[in-house]
Amino acid sequence: AQTVTQSQPEMSVQEAETVTLSCTYDTSESDYYLFWYKQPPSRQMILVIRQEAYKQQNATENRFSVNFQKAAKSFSLKISDSQLGDAAMYFCGTMGRGSEKLVFGKGTKLTVNP
Amino acid sequence: GAVVSQHPSRVICKSGTSVKIECRSLDFQATTMFWYRQFPKQSLMLMATSNEGSKATYEQGVEKDKFLINHASLTLSTLTVTSAHPEDSSFYICSAEEGGRNTGELFFGEGSRLTVL
Repeated sequence: AQTVTQSQPEMSVQEAETVTLSCTYDTSESDYYLFWYKQPPSRQMILVIRQEAYKQQNATENRFSVNFQKAAKSFSLKISDSQLGDAAMYFCGTMGRGSEKLVFGKGTKLTVNP
Repeated sequence: GAVVSQHPSRVICKSGTSVKIECRSLDFQATTMFWYRQFPKQSLMLMATSNEGSKATYEQGVEKDKFLINHASLTLSTLTVTSAHPEDSSFYICSAEEGGRNTGELFFGEGSRLTVL
């Protein structure tokens, strides 16, 4: 079984500042992926960043990085130099390797203030 | 990146009618596609896994006779909401993984908003 918990329903950040979105998870899978997806007002889900659980090194994609703490089952997303276009719902998710069943958290609504 | 397209993006229908939503992978083959349902201000809930050439696998609590899924080719899966009722009104999203890559990355369609009057 897999569960994902996002404890922050809403977050806000000033443009150009840094914000961290929290995510904890639980999984019975021995090998799995972790994801952050962004859902802007257009509603299409866009992959922000992906982490393979067996890799200790934190994934980074430009202004987006994660803090992956496997023992604590924590997978937070840090957005640096926030931009207005970053405003969206952010969903944390996990999927067992080979299972293809992606389970999402309830999401965090990020507002970026100019 | 790979593109998944859904059609229609919006549909309004009368109660009791059936509605078909298409999900296409435009530039890759997808042996497996997934259908999600999203209520307003809520997360995506997986409804079913659509397997090319075989029956779909439904999540617990999802009525398979209500939500018919057909995955007739490697690039097309359809979701038919049969005898739709107002409580079926929702945002339906599909996703697909590019076959053979095993990267874990899913590509999502734009979603289809169903309103049942």
